[in-house]
Amino acid sequence: GQQLNQSPQSMFIQEGEDVSMNCTSSSIFNTWLWYKQDPGEGPVLLIALYKAGELTSNGRLTAQFGITRKDSFLNISASIPSDVGIYFCAGRPPQYSGGGADGLTFGKGTHLIIQP
Amino acid sequence: KAGVTQTPRYLIKTRGQQVTLSCSPISGHRSVSWYQQTPGQGLQFLFEYFSETQRNKGNFPGRFSGRQFSNSRSEMNVSTLELGDSALYLCASSLSPREYEQYFGPGTRLTVT
Repeated sequence: GQQLNQSPQSMFIQEGEDVSMNCTSSSIFNTWLWYKQDPGEGPVLLIALYKAGELTSNGRLTAQFGITRKDSFLNISASIPSDVGIYFCAGRPPQYSGGGADGLTFGKGTHLIIQP
Repeated sequence: KAGVTQTPRYLIKTRGQQVTLSCSPISGHRSVSWYQQTPGQGLQFLFEYFSETQRNKGNFPGRFSGRQFSNSRSEMNVSTLELGDSALYLCASSLSPREYEQYFGPGTRLTVT
């Protein structure tokens, strides 16, 4: 099946710093989703991207759908303590253009830790 | 609008037993998907239901099964539990199978001893 490489695996940053993480694949995707998961909870959808080159913001979060369609990036500006958690990317390859969950592949996550 | 709800939140079972987990999707959402999350394997797709029919199934043994009711609520069942079935089981709903945006519930933490 499809493989998504998410990096970095973990990040230790100071409060107020900007954060960048990315997701890459050897295959093209036609949808990218970014989720955040807090301990003991389910993932929460942050941003959805549908077009190559698309740049979408949600408050301090900005995500981009890579032009090659093989990667996506998530940036968090001016991090705050509540940004702590695990960030997952998820992608859907073109052959699953009919929708449905079977084509949704998840990365292993980036664990964000913020030091006050 | 209420989010996806899952019951129970925590469950402890012994090997060989069976378990049933429940999921209520967001009101108006008709597609329900189930995922298994473990530290080693991450999030893995189990199956998806729409209109009471299983549309897709991931690479899991037949011990894992599910169903969907006419009100879109869904249950998943795991029979003959194994230690390796210990995981967080997540349910996600979407308006329909054509909607890529899925919304997750808080999960059921299953521990098999």
